[in-house]
Amino acid sequence: DAGVIQSPRHEVTEMGQEVTLRCKPISGHDYLFWYRQTMMRGLELLIYFNNNVPIDDSGMPEDRFSAKMPNASFSTLKIQPSEPRDSAVYFCASSPQYAVNYGYTFGSGTRLTVV
Amino acid sequence: SQQGEEDPQALSIQEGENATMNCSYKTSINNLQWYRQNSGRGLVHLILIRSNEREKHSGRLRVTLDTSKKSSSLLITASRAADTASYFCATDYSGYSTLTFGKGTMLLVSP
Repeated sequence: DAGVIQSPRHEVTEMGQEVTLRCKPISGHDYLFWYRQTMMRGLELLIYFNNNVPIDDSGMPEDRFSAKMPNASFSTLKIQPSEPRDSAVYFCASSPQYAVNYGYTFGSGTRLTVV
Repeated sequence: SQQGEEDPQALSIQEGENATMNCSYKTSINNLQWYRQNSGRGLVHLILIRSNEREKHSGRLRVTLDTSKKSSSLLITASRAADTASYFCATDYSGYSTLTFGKGTMLLVSP
């Protein structure tokens, strides 16, 4: 398995533009997580899915953020409109059933810069 | 915040020395995990220790857990330059099905 695949690796966009981040989890993993990493706040959980269903989106900062998982092999995180404070590294991770009993497998992340 | 907290924030040692990192957390947990993050990369799972375990080994890694003190330590023995990375502890708090990560310890191993 190629692991968790995220795209793009880097994204530079102007304030106000829409940004879409993509993630392909490991086949057979039931859980998918979106995290955001900044120096100030560390790793923050934004949202997670179980069997393609969003379970907890309480970490999504505001309505400008949305996430979908249309099928077991694909998820998107969208920011519309983007703001400079959204600049961060966004990670997708996946895990088998009973996620906390296993390690998460992380993607390489998308470094987002909003100018 | 329910984050675990790693200590120290940064650690610099020479190759061959041992590196010890600590993690403290706030409430009851089911298990605690340690991850490594190389610069510009995603996190990699290293080891998981359950709340009913006190010590666990994996290669050059040794993890201890003291639930009475709500703390854990990660020991890397005979460190190598390739061990240079940030190390994070992550906890799943009882009743929650996700991991909460600390802010990490940056380890620099010099040749």
